[in-house]
Amino acid sequence: AQTVTQSQPEMSVQEAETVTLSCTYDTSESDYYLFWYKQPPSRQMILVIRQEAYKQQNATENRFSVNFQKAAKSFSLKISDSQLGDAAMYFCAYRRKQGGSEKLVFGKGTKLTVNP
Amino acid sequence: DAMVIQNPRYQVTQFGKPVTLSCSQTLNHNVMYWYQQKSSQAPKLLFHYYDKDFNNEADTPDNFQSRRPNTSFCFLDIRSPGLGDAAMYLCATSKSGRAFFGQGTRLTVV
Repeated sequence: AQTVTQSQPEMSVQEAETVTLSCTYDTSESDYYLFWYKQPPSRQMILVIRQEAYKQQNATENRFSVNFQKAAKSFSLKISDSQLGDAAMYFCAYRRKQGGSEKLVFGKGTKLTVNP
Repeated sequence: DAMVIQNPRYQVTQFGKPVTLSCSQTLNHNVMYWYQQKSSQAPKLLFHYYDKDFNNEADTPDNFQSRRPNTSFCFLDIRSPGLGDAAMYLCATSKSGRAFFGQGTRLTVV
C-alpha cells in the first residue's frame, strides 16, 4: 500500500521569507501523481501544485515550487516570498496514475504559520 | 463559479437519526470521492466511484453508505450517526490527475 509521510507537524516562517515543507512517500509504482494541497481555515482544499512522476522537471506555480527526487521518493514544497495568506494546513498527496482505483492518499499535514 | 458543491455546509443531526449529505459537480468528472476529516487530521477516504463502479475502503464502517444516481450527483448516507461521526465531510471529483474539492459539510451529532 502507498503511504505518504510529512514529518513536520508545524512550521513557521517570517513574511517575505522562504520555507520548505517536506514529504516522503512509498510506492512500488513507476508512474503516478504527487500533489500539494492547501487547506486554509475556511477548510476548502485547494490544489497548489502537481507533479507527474515521469517528468523530471520540477513543477512550479508562481511562488510555489517542488523538489521532486524520484529515487529518494521525496517531494518537498518550497514557498518563496511567503505571504500572510499562505498560512494554512498543507497536505502532500499521492495518486496512482493507472487503473480504476484512483484514490488520493494524503499525508498527515503540516500547519504553516506566517509571522508578520 | 463553484464546480463541486456540497449541501448543506453545516448539518446538525441527532444521535442515531439518519442523515444524508449531498454533492454535485458541474465538471462531468467520472471519479468522485467522499472523505471524512476530523479536526487537525488528514482526510480519510470512505469511498470512491469510477463512473458507476463503487469502491468501498476496507475500514469504512457499514454505517456509511453512498449513492451516485448520475454523473453529477453523489450522496453520503449515515444510517445511525454516532458522536464519533462528527467531522467535516469532503466531496471531490477527479479527471486526468486533477482533483477538485467542495467546501465540505461540517456534521455535528448531538
